[in-house]
Formats: sequence, C-alpha cells, structure tokens
Amino acid sequence: GQQLNQSPQSMFIQEGEDVSMNCTSSSIFNTWLWYKQDPGEGPVLLIALYKAGELTSNGRLTAQFGITRKDSFLNISASIPSDVGIYFCAGLSNFGNEKLTFGTGTRLTIIP
Amino acid sequence: DTAVSQTPKYLVTQMGNDKSIKCEQNLGHDTMYWYKQDSKKFLKIMFSYNNKELIINETVPNRFSPKSPDKAHLNLHINSLELGDSAVYFCASSQVTSWSRTQYFGPGTRLLVL
Repeated sequence: GQQLNQSPQSMFIQEGEDVSMNCTSSSIFNTWLWYKQDPGEGPVLLIALYKAGELTSNGRLTAQFGITRKDSFLNISASIPSDVGIYFCAGLSNFGNEKLTFGTGTRLTIIP
Repeated sequence: DTAVSQTPKYLVTQMGNDKSIKCEQNLGHDTMYWYKQDSKKFLKIMFSYNNKELIINETVPNRFSPKSPDKAHLNLHINSLELGDSAVYFCASSQVTSWSRTQYFGPGTRLLVL
C-alpha cells in the first residue's frame, strides 16, 4: 500500500533543542495531519493542515502544508522531556476518500 | 468522558481462536475506522464505516469482519487467529465537513496470538 516517506527515522536531541521532521509523497494530498504517539497509547492529533502553503502553530509546534501538496514539515521549538514519542505525518487525498495514509514515523528521544 | 474507547486493551489468545474487539465513540461522528499497527509501528487502514455502511475495505483477509450496530460502535471480529495477526489495532472516528477531516484515535488493543 501507499506510504509516505518520513524523515528522519529517529532523532536524539538534548532538551531545549529545536526539532524538524518532514514527510514527502509522490502523489498529492489535500489534507495533512500530524500525530504524536506515546508508548502504549493511540495517536493524538497535533496539527491539521487543509490548504497548500498553510503554516499553522500549536504552542511550540509549527507545521506547514507544502505548496506542491506533496510534502509537509513539523517543527518543535525548545524541546522538553514530554516531547519524547513517535511523530507521524498522515495524508488524505480527495474529499470523500477518507483513507488516511501514514508516514513511517519519527522517533524522538531526548538525551538528559 | 473518553472520546474513542476500545475494549479490551490487551488480548492474548491461542492460534485458531475467534476473538472480538469493541470500539465506541461519543463524539457524534458518522464515520469510524479500524487501523492495524505492526511491530515496526507502521499504521495501515483496514476498514471504514459511514453511518453503519462499509465504505473502505482494504486487502484484509476474510477472517476479519467488522460490524457496526449503530454509528457510535464499530466492532472487529477475527476468526481463526494466526500468529501474523499479532499487532495493535486502533479504532478511529471522524466527522467529515468542509473544514475538518480529522480522525481521532482510540487507545488501541494489543493482540498477541500464541
């Protein structure tokens, strides 16, 4: 099945550092969603993007919907210990086709 | 006041058994989904129901049968369980509008087939 290419696969950073991750696709998406998954839990929505070029923030998180509609990125500023987890991008194509395609995930670890 | 809930959270069973996972959402959404997350954390859609009607059915073995008694519930029954069915199964729901397509996920059911 279709998969989004998400990078990096994993990140090891120190508390306070900024984080950047991105997703790319060979096909167009009309909606991009970013989720975070903590161990033993389900994915939790961080940011939803609905328009090409859109830049949206949620606290220390900022995400952008690429102008080509084939990519998206997520930035986390001034990381804190609770940012640890797996981050997933996910895309939706045509309105009415609600099959969410997920990225491969970015595992974020904060080094004490 | 959990939005999307699933039971059980853990399910350990023998190969060949039949088991069911239940999902309920209290968000008033009209669309519900089942996703499977494998050991590498990859998430893939299995089924989707809209107002009790099946609208997405990915290439999933016939041993998996979803059932939606009403739009707030979507259950997953699995017959003749196999070792490869071991995974985490997530239920999700959404209300698709012109301004929102966000899917909200449950906490997952961890299935281990021995």
